[in-house]
Amino acid sequence: GAGVSQSPSNKVTEKGKDVELRCDPISGHTALYWYRQSLGQGLEFLIYFQGNSAPDKSGLPSDRFSAERTGGSVSTLTIQRTQQEDSAVYLCASSSSKKMTGVQNTEAFFGQGTRLTVV
Amino acid sequence: AQSVTQLGSHVSVSEGALVLLRCNYSSSVPPYLFWYVQYPNQGLQLLLKYTTGATLVKGINGFEAEFKKSETSFHLTKPSAHMSDAAEYFCAVSLVGRGGKLIFGQGTELSVKP
Repeated sequence: GAGVSQSPSNKVTEKGKDVELRCDPISGHTALYWYRQSLGQGLEFLIYFQGNSAPDKSGLPSDRFSAERTGGSVSTLTIQRTQQEDSAVYLCASSSSKKMTGVQNTEAFFGQGTRLTVV
Repeated sequence: AQSVTQLGSHVSVSEGALVLLRCNYSSSVPPYLFWYVQYPNQGLQLLLKYTTGATLVKGINGFEAEFKKSETSFHLTKPSAHMSDAAEYFCAVSLVGRGGKLIFGQGTELSVKP
């Protein structure tokens, strides 16, 4: 597709259940980000993948959160044993590599997000 | 480590008035700077960006921002506000040549009064 695609767009889950959120970045983009946006809050950085480098996981709020990126493309954010405070919109973004544009990471393109509600 | 501070979580202006949204950054190396806009119930959209070259950059919808290295600022302005400008605005920074992790400020909600 032409843009960043996230699925599902909405997810309601029971407290204690595990959830998986999926992100399909723009084809060829080597950088991929996950952010969390809670009601009335800014964009909280979660994790950042850049090419084959080890991901920057410094923003993950607890060990219940993990993410992987298979084959340098699709990424999955997993939240285990969900809590009510995990309720938020989870945003994925991707940006291009230096090879493609000559300049690295000049703009991130965002998906529409997954709205997670933990009840 | 880089960081971004947006002064004022909420700014209210009258239609036709100047819009000024403030952004200051902290970075040990030359940054790339961005402003994104988020309209209600929509995703984030790039307004404008500074990478290199001219320090005054123009974006969509009549917005512009000026990179001032001496003040570590990248304030967003628009000469005349429209009702349709009401949205959440986010300033962001990434580091040149350092993998480019994008860090956002807390956002400023802009309200436009008739």
